[in-house]
Amino acid sequence: DAGVIQSPRHEVTEMGQEVTLRCKPISGHNSLFWYRQTMMRGLELLIYFNNNVPIDDSGMPEDRFSAKMPNASFSTLKIQPSEPRDSAVYFCASSPGERSPLHFGNGTRLTVT
Amino acid sequence: TQLLEQSPQFLSIQEGENLTVYCNSSSVFSSLQWYRQEPGEGPVLLVTVVTGGEVKKLKRLTFQFGDARKDSSLHITAAQPGDTGLYLCAGGTQWGSNYKLTFGKGTLLTVNP
Repeated sequence: DAGVIQSPRHEVTEMGQEVTLRCKPISGHNSLFWYRQTMMRGLELLIYFNNNVPIDDSGMPEDRFSAKMPNASFSTLKIQPSEPRDSAVYFCASSPGERSPLHFGNGTRLTVT
Repeated sequence: TQLLEQSPQFLSIQEGENLTVYCNSSSVFSSLQWYRQEPGEGPVLLVTVVTGGEVKKLKRLTFQFGDARKDSSLHITAAQPGDTGLYLCAGGTQWGSNYKLTFGKGTLLTVNP
């Protein structure tokens, strides 16, 4: 089992540019989560998918953020346009279901200059 | 918004000492999970507790879920340098077939040899 795979590991971009983060969940897991981690705010839930359907996107900061899950094996988180305050580590996690542990990827460290 | 407060935020101790970290909330959770995160990696599950008053042991780690399912503690006996890391608690919220985790900001533990 390769675990949750995220790409890229690091992304450095200039303010105003579009950023796309990618995630491949563990096969068979029907729940997928995008989190953002910063020193100030800790680990924040951005959006939660269940069976490829967005269930809770109340954590998405604003309209500049969007997430898709076109199939069970792929999800993207897009920021357009990016801003310096978006700099953080973005984690994708998947889970087989209720009360099951979340399996996290190793994250994408985003720096917006 | 359900909030989880973790304390202390930082803890630096000597090898062999005992320690306890706390996770508190005003909200009731259906379950509570503890994760450990190392630099450059995603969090990894340590334990899940679901019943009020439940106590689980994992080698030198003892986890307790409060009777009212609003708080939890993690006690480490005879800490070792390998215990160094960020310890995160996460409260589970379930509705229908959906389930999501809200994380605390974590306790950063350093165990000095």
